[in-house]
Amino acid sequence: KQEVTQIPAALSVPEGENLVLNCSFTDSAIYNLQWFRQDPGKGLTSLLLIQSSQREQTSGRLNASLDKSSGRSTLYIAASQPGDSATYLCAVRPGSRDDKIIFGKGTRLHILP
Amino acid sequence: DAEITQSPRHKITETGRQVTLACHQTWNHNNMFWYRQDLGHGLRLIHYSYGVQDTNKGEVSDGYSVSRSNTEDLPLTLESAASSQTSVYFCASRQNTGELFFGEGSRLTVL
Repeated sequence: KQEVTQIPAALSVPEGENLVLNCSFTDSAIYNLQWFRQDPGKGLTSLLLIQSSQREQTSGRLNASLDKSSGRSTLYIAASQPGDSATYLCAVRPGSRDDKIIFGKGTRLHILP
Repeated sequence: DAEITQSPRHKITETGRQVTLACHQTWNHNNMFWYRQDLGHGLRLIHYSYGVQDTNKGEVSDGYSVSRSNTEDLPLTLESAASSQTSVYFCASRQNTGELFFGEGSRLTVL
């Protein structure tokens, strides 16, 4: 059974630092992996989608990598800003015909001004 | 801009009442989903649909139903609301690339 883990559950870093958020999954046979951010009381905002055949995706200051063999994805945030404060979730889709997408519990990120 | 909207955003109801949460998307996506989000459980799939007249059960479907009469809408109905259904409900739709997009959520309180 696929499990998705995000450690740590919470993280505080000073503004301006580069940081890495981690997502691990137990079954390497995945179809894709998606990163989201969620602000308090809001919905999930899509950040990056990585297909199983891809190694990384970039959008602005964000870079997500995928290493299926080790069951890991990382979300790299460059030059962090207070507006980056949010909960970041990763989600794994096991197969093209499987819509039981598995979400991690998220990492709550706080950027200190 | 195309978008996905949910209504109502907040709802308080009583045990035993029927409740319908609306979800409307303007992207013309075939695939639509309903999730609930609870502390300690994260996001769990309730029902999903791959197109008009198609509906499928997710992992926590008991007590919920959906219908898909057109591409744009996937309403979620709680036939007889229970306190255990107090939660935040999210609708999502998926484009052909596989990217999932979420609505802003509907917070439901069952007293």
